Amino acid sequence: SQQGEEDPQALSIQEGENATMNCSYKTSINNLQWYRQNSGRGLVHLILIRSNEREKHSGRLRVTLDTSKKSSSLLITASRAADTASYFCATDVSEGGSEKLVFGKGMKLTVNP
Amino acid sequence: DVKVTQSSRYLVKRTGEKVFLECVQDMDHENMFWYRQDPGLGLRLIYFSYDVKMKEKGDIPEGYSVSREKKERFSLILESASTNQTSMYLCASSLPGFFTYNEQFFGPGTRLTVL
Repeated sequence: SQQGEEDPQALSIQEGENATMNCSYKTSINNLQWYRQNSGRGLVHLILIRSNEREKHSGRLRVTLDTSKKSSSLLITASRAADTASYFCATDVSEGGSEKLVFGKGMKLTVNP
Repeated sequence: DVKVTQSSRYLVKRTGEKVFLECVQDMDHENMFWYRQDPGLGLRLIYFSYDVKMKEKGDIPEGYSVSREKKERFSLILESASTNQTSMYLCASSLPGFFTYNEQFFGPGTRLTVL
């Protein structure tokens, strides 16, 4: 069941520029998470934002959440080549009486040195 | 430092073989998960477990089974491997409670090829 969807699917920028990724989802959520995956590796959790929060920061990362638009954005400031990775948003979904975390298909960020 | 390890990074098996993928976490997490990741399809949940000997089906459990005999270990079993099970398999764990509220810690993944 697809819940979150990242946009754009791919982004290529120069080192030092800011990168913005968006995630849209369909049903109401309790929280939204962002993960990073370097090529061929496991996912690494970046940040979690709860439905009653509008903005959250962690280092060079800034996440916003607009529950009225069912969307979130991840901003990476002053990007570095090491930020090259795939980024996923994940939202909680209630199905059949249980809750689970559903990941989007991901978007690929390339930061050119 | 928290760690989730998977038994193999790369694995090549033949159609019909029984395949075991092992996952171990050292964080004393109650919840553990198995996903598969395919291009264009993202991560799909196969099975999860919220306690020893407990398991729940995810979105795509067909052709798979799991075993959780100890808290730190969660095994994924392909009873009779097929070529459509060629994929990247990711194990994850998380703190107990409503797991969707908690971050998941992932292993490095096992890239399985079934010939």
